[in-house]
Amino acid sequence: GEDVEQSLFLSVREGDSSVINCTYTDSSSTYLYWYKQEPGAGLQLLTYIFSNMDMKQDQRLTVLLNKKDKHLSLRIADTQTGDSAIYFCAESVTLISNFGNEKLTFGTGTRLTIIP
Amino acid sequence: SQTIHQWPATLVQPVGSPLSLECTVEGTSNPNLYWYRQAAGRGLQLLFYSVGIGQISSEVPQNLSASRPQDRQFILSSKKLLLSDSGFYLCAWSPPAGADYGYTFGSGTRLTVV
Repeated sequence: GEDVEQSLFLSVREGDSSVINCTYTDSSSTYLYWYKQEPGAGLQLLTYIFSNMDMKQDQRLTVLLNKKDKHLSLRIADTQTGDSAIYFCAESVTLISNFGNEKLTFGTGTRLTIIP
Repeated sequence: SQTIHQWPATLVQPVGSPLSLECTVEGTSNPNLYWYRQAAGRGLQLLFYSVGIGQISSEVPQNLSASRPQDRQFILSSKKLLLSDSGFYLCAWSPPAGADYGYTFGSGTRLTVV
């Protein structure tokens, strides 16, 4: 079955780097995602990584994937107050094999708090 | 461009009352549609998904039901709400088969059952 785990809380000083970690269980996942949820809002796709990649960088965001250990991390460089949010890791699992649809299984989310 | 609309944004309902939450998608055809629930302090739980009109799959047994009367409309319902139905409900869509770029979420409905 699918299971995605994350730490619930992370506090980081403004200007430092934030590293949010995630472990997943389904080795057949093709894509892994990071979503951001600001207070009272829906989820916003931040970035994703294909399972045959080790790293993906997008401006201040760096995603690292260790497929052997089924470990995914999101690094936010130069963390700002606007980065305060809940960050969700998600893995994709094929929903209906003959149609290629995917189902996303989400972690519990990590609440990132920025300390001034 | 594609957009997803979800309403109402907030809802306070008494125990035993019915529920109807609506979600519509614009700018795409035959989307896959999803209902998630986010309980306080917990992650996202997939409740229902649909790959076409009238095709609904339920992930967990519960007091809720879903319907897809039109291609881009997804409705979450209950005949009698329970206190445990309180939570933040999120609708999402993804393109049809072959989409690998995650879901697009609506802005959510916060339901409080009193």
